[in-house]
Amino acid sequence: AQSVTQPDIHITVSEGASLELRCNYSYGATPYLFWYVQSPGQGLQLLLKYFSGDTLVQGIKGFEAEFKRSQSSFNLRKPSVHWSDAAEYFCAVGAGATDSWGKLQFGAGTQVVVTP
Amino acid sequence: KAGVTQTPRYLIKTRGQQVTLSCSPISGHRSVSWYQQTPGQGLQFLFEYFSETQRNKGNFPGRFSGRQFSNSRSEMNVSTLELGDSALYLCASSLASSGRARNEQFFGPGTRLTVL
Repeated sequence: AQSVTQPDIHITVSEGASLELRCNYSYGATPYLFWYVQSPGQGLQLLLKYFSGDTLVQGIKGFEAEFKRSQSSFNLRKPSVHWSDAAEYFCAVGAGATDSWGKLQFGAGTQVVVTP
Repeated sequence: KAGVTQTPRYLIKTRGQQVTLSCSPISGHRSVSWYQQTPGQGLQFLFEYFSETQRNKGNFPGRFSGRQFSNSRSEMNVSTLELGDSALYLCASSLASSGRARNEQFFGPGTRLTVL
């Protein structure tokens, strides 16, 4: 069965420090991978996506993610965190099968706290 | 271009009542997906509509239903509300008509439903 795991429920990082959020997936074929961010009381904003090709993808707000097929991972990184990056981050997987189009499966989310 | 809009933003209902939530996708988007977000279960897929037809359905009881209109606007309905239906209901739209791009979804701000 398809699954998405975000091992870290909560991460605290100092402003200006680097950030890495982990995401592991379980899926037979090459999945479509996404990272979303959710601020309190808001919907989800798409940060970046991976469909195919270059395994290092750049997104908005200075985020990047690397797809590693051998590790079934799609980790999100940011070199220098700003206080405005405090939010909840979700990794999501979309399947390529016709009967799964339009259906995303989400990880449980990682809450990021940024300290001064 | 305006984003995905959802109305109303907040709703308070009592057990046994029914509720209808509305979603207007980004202009030109033809696929609309619905998700339920709760602290305990996280983000769960409800259903997806494309060209006025339900294409995918998640594992929710029949009390949860939806429809899509010819202008791609979508509504979801929950009948006989239960306390456990209290959640943030998110709508997402997608541009493409096929394959992986239907997984690239843009979310609205959500409707916060409270069932008393």
